[in-house]
Amino acid sequence: GQSLEQPSEVTAVEGAIVQINCTYQTSGFYGLSWYQQHDGGAPTFLSYNGLDGLEETGRFSSFLSRSDSYGYLLLQELQMKDSASYFCAVKNQAGTALIFGKGTTLSVSS
Amino acid sequence: ETGVTQTPRHLVMGMTNKKSLKCEQHLGHNAMYWYKQSAKKPLELMFVYSLEERVENNSVPSRFSPECPNSSHLFLHLHTLQPEDSALYLCASSRSSNTGELFFGEGSRLTVL
Repeated sequence: GQSLEQPSEVTAVEGAIVQINCTYQTSGFYGLSWYQQHDGGAPTFLSYNGLDGLEETGRFSSFLSRSDSYGYLLLQELQMKDSASYFCAVKNQAGTALIFGKGTTLSVSS
Repeated sequence: ETGVTQTPRHLVMGMTNKKSLKCEQHLGHNAMYWYKQSAKKPLELMFVYSLEERVENNSVPSRFSPECPNSSHLFLHLHTLQPEDSALYLCASSRSSNTGELFFGEGSRLTVL
């Protein structure tokens, strides 16, 4: 089967750095994606890692280690607007769609 | 604005009603998806369409019936639903079904009484 594990909640203060981890189990691996969802909003794509290593996009970076079946999303210089849920996702067995983790709720305080 | 529009945004229906959710994408994508998002549960994949052909039916009860008349439109027909079907139904699209980047609509919040 397939499964993804990520922490349910993370709290941090403005300006801090936070790392959200994701471990996965899947029979065929096509890469790890990250999405952000604000309350009442649509999930939006943040990043994709198909190969090992770090991908950086502005304040957000994502890392993948395929040998460890592990990845993380790193958020730097946190802002209040970063308070949201963050989901990691991998392809399903057929490779036709994404399967999502349960999400990590990030709360940023001043 | 993600380029994926869902209507209605909110829907309340009784267990014997028949209603439909509509999704339209303006991105020229070839794949469309329905996901269900309940409180305290991950996004659950329901259906996948690629080039208007259904390629995935993730063991969804027959009271949910998808329809994809063309690559820009996706419907979810609902009938004889149960209260536990109350959830946010999210539509998404992507350039192809093998990409990791999906574009989601804002969702249709369904309440079944």
